[in-house]
Amino acid sequence: AQSVTQLGSHVSVSEGALVLLRCNYSSSVPPYLFWYVQYPNQGLQLLLKYTSAATLVKGINGFEAEFKKSETSFHLTKPSAHMSDAAEYFCAVNKAAGNKLTFGGGTRVLVKP
Amino acid sequence: DGGITQSPKYLFRKEGQNVTLSCEQNLNHDAMYWYRQDPGQGLRLIYYSQIVNDFQKGDIAEGYSVSREKKESFPLTVTSAQKNPTAFYLCASSASDSPYEQYFGPGTRLTVT
Repeated sequence: AQSVTQLGSHVSVSEGALVLLRCNYSSSVPPYLFWYVQYPNQGLQLLLKYTSAATLVKGINGFEAEFKKSETSFHLTKPSAHMSDAAEYFCAVNKAAGNKLTFGGGTRVLVKP
Repeated sequence: DGGITQSPKYLFRKEGQNVTLSCEQNLNHDAMYWYRQDPGQGLRLIYYSQIVNDFQKGDIAEGYSVSREKKESFPLTVTSAQKNPTAFYLCASSASDSPYEQYFGPGTRLTVT
């Protein structure tokens, strides 16, 4: 069965520092992987997606993620954190059957000035 | 602008009452989804529909019902049988040519007392 593990439910970074959010997945089918961002009391916004093309995927707001099959990982990074990056981030993988996604538990990012 | 609307943003009900949450999309997407979000638990799929007049149970369908009479609309009813209805509810949709790429509405926060 498909599953997603996000290491760390909370991450605190200083403004200007590297943001690294970890996502590991398990999948019995070729994976499609997604990162979403959620601001308080809002819906989820797609940051980026991996769909079997380039393994390094660039998304919006300066984020990128690298698909590593050998490590079953899809970690999200941003070189320099901005105050506006404070939000909750969700990693997701497609389910084997049906057009459905399995979401990780989320990582809340706090950015310190 | 194309998008997904959910109304209302906040909803309050007394225990024992059924309540219907609205979800409308003008993206011409075939598939629609309902998720429940609780703190620290990520998103859990309640129901989904891939075409009009058809829908399937997700992982936590008990105590919920849906209908899909129009392509644009996918209302969710939270019945009195749902034991813990207080949560943040998110509606999403996806296109048939990108079935895993889901677009989310702004959410409805339901509080039942």
